[in-house]
Amino acid sequence: KAGVTQTPRYLIKTRGQQVTLSCSPISGHRSVSWYQQTPGQGLQFLFEYFSETQRNKGNFPGRFSGRQFSNSRSEMNVSTLELGDSALYLCASSLGQGGSEQFFGPGTRLTVL
Amino acid sequence: DAKTTQPPSMDCAEGRAANLPCNHSTISGNEYVYWYRQIHSQGPQYIIHGLKNNETNEMASLIITEDRKSSTLILPHATLRDTAVYYCIVRVWAAGNTGKLIFGQGTTLQVKP
Repeated sequence: KAGVTQTPRYLIKTRGQQVTLSCSPISGHRSVSWYQQTPGQGLQFLFEYFSETQRNKGNFPGRFSGRQFSNSRSEMNVSTLELGDSALYLCASSLGQGGSEQFFGPGTRLTVL
Repeated sequence: DAKTTQPPSMDCAEGRAANLPCNHSTISGNEYVYWYRQIHSQGPQYIIHGLKNNETNEMASLIITEDRKSSTLILPHATLRDTAVYYCIVRVWAAGNTGKLIFGQGTTLQVKP
């Protein structure tokens, strides 16, 4: 069974631009969560989706948004990029909401110049 | 979710058991102990979880003290590939609950030849 896939793997943007990251969960998984990882703040929860509905949101500004499609694939968007948004963005999927075991993708490395 | 305390770093000789401690003195009765690890530049990987009984799987063993205020993850025969950051997380696990994981700083385990 294929794992969680994230595209693109690497991305370079400039300040003020916007970016969309994609996550395809493991087949049959309906819950997708997003995390941001930076050297200073570590791994921080962004949001969680289940059945196309956002179930939980972390403490991030409104520039960070996401959505989930009927096939459980998810996208997150960051508008008006700032230098501090440079990070590894990780997606995790689980079978159901609050699933016991979460499977993480390899992440998208975003660099903002 | 309860906070956890882990030593920032540990060394272990290859082939020996690696014992990684975690303190979670404020854990609630319905909170589980989870362990994940993150090998450099990869997404976190689920290892094991438990409530109050000791647990074992093909990767590791989890020993939880009787008062549940601390636990130890045991890698029975550490290899160089086990070099990673290990995260101890406590969370409520129930159907329909959020899957949000709160990561601390973790323990960097260095396995040496």
